[in-house]
Amino acid sequence: KTQVEQSPQSLVVRQGENCVLQCNYSVTPDNHLRWFKQDTGKGLVSLTVLVDQKDKTSNGRYSATLDKDAKHSTLHITATLLDDTATYICVVGAVVGDNSKLIWGLGTSLVVNP
Amino acid sequence: GGIITQTPKFLIGQEGQKLTLKCQQNFNHDTMYWYRQDSGKGLRLIYYSITENDLQKGDLSEGYDASREKKSSFSLTVTSAQKNEMAVFLCASIPGTGVYAEQFFGPGTRLTVL
Repeated sequence: KTQVEQSPQSLVVRQGENCVLQCNYSVTPDNHLRWFKQDTGKGLVSLTVLVDQKDKTSNGRYSATLDKDAKHSTLHITATLLDDTATYICVVGAVVGDNSKLIWGLGTSLVVNP
Repeated sequence: GGIITQTPKFLIGQEGQKLTLKCQQNFNHDTMYWYRQDSGKGLRLIYYSITENDLQKGDLSEGYDASREKKSSFSLTVTSAQKNEMAVFLCASIPGTGVYAEQFFGPGTRLTVL
């Protein structure tokens, strides 16, 4: 069973529109959640990290929320640009004692059209 | 700022061949990782290393060897390439050893096995 599920699988928007990406997970414990952006053919770049039980972060046009009770996170992209075309991946960090593990989602593929 | 470089960028191998991928980072980070990224699957951890000459197996270590020759470099060897295998291998690093730290990724090595 997939422990980190992202939706939608793919999304197409027009430049200037806003969009919301979802991440639902069943990982326990859920110490933190991070969103990454992966441009085609490139490595992953961290956008934001969420840590608190109910957390919100903002990084320019990217804002994110986390609700650990619902085990749910959202990534909002405001006024999309062509350069936002990429795959967005969420990852949940689980720490138990000295052991830590990252559980990765499959990503949402976002295409921003002119 | 620093950078992570991976060589080669593209790797084409033959079935049964031993193939080596290299990763270098100039962040002076302690921990380095090798991940495999397949279409339709989340990132899977192959090996990681918390310091020079240290090696820790991930979930997908079977079929791979790794070597942390010095702090700045981490190599991965596919011991016997599988026919029709196609995947992207991503190297990452973090300062220290904590899972909360932001991972910095290289651009990846794209493997195709004929």
